[in-house]
Amino acid sequence: DIQMTQSPSSLSASVGDRVTITCRASQGITNYLAWYQQKPGKVPKLLIYAASTLQSGVPSRFSGSGSGTDFTLTISSLQPEDVATYYCQKYNSAPWTFGQGTKVEIK
Amino acid sequence: QVQLVQSGAEVKKPGASVKISCRASGYSLTNYGIHWVRQAPGQRLEWMGWINTGNGDTKSSPKLQGRVTITRVASANTAYMELSSLRSEDTAVYYCARDLGKVRGVISYYFDCWGQGTLVTVSS
Repeated sequence: DIQMTQSPSSLSASVGDRVTITCRASQGITNYLAWYQQKPGKVPKLLIYAASTLQSGVPSRFSGSGSGTDFTLTISSLQPEDVATYYCQKYNSAPWTFGQGTKVEIK
Repeated sequence: QVQLVQSGAEVKKPGASVKISCRASGYSLTNYGIHWVRQAPGQRLEWMGWINTGNGDTKSSPKLQGRVTITRVASANTAYMELSSLRSEDTAVYYCARDLGKVRGVISYYFDCWGQGTLVTVSS
């Protein structure tokens, strides 16, 4: 099975900072990658699909890029409401594996 | 408004089974697939399985060693997940989530809508 590995596991940044999270697949998945945001105690929320397509209603400070095995999620200007754990997920075929998550905090 | 509404919290003893429901609201269940995902306390999201709600085909995680059964009742617009031989490490919040299948021929099996979650506690 394809494994999904995120880095870093956690990060702390200041409001307004640019934040980048990476996700690596153990085999190529073309662009069948999604990013989810999970705020503490809340249900996961879809941010990005097809590696770079922003889900409707998601702020434009979020962006995604990559294809094949290497992907990134970028928050261009970190806001207090972005405190959350972010997960990548492959969705081209079973199993629909998630990365281990990246916890984002405000410094 | 598209929603997935799950059944309430459960407390079970080791060795028992639990069955959770996921009722689709605002759309027809059989138009899109349903997945089950769980999250143990402080842990990552773990995919458990999927059902093609149209024809009933299923796939499940090999890590669950055949303990998971996913079904649906189209007339009730509801999907179900049953997990058997419960252990303490099955204590988690269980979510159902919808995928969009193929959209204009493009694979779109990401999860655009999630249920509110169901806490299952396994304790003797």
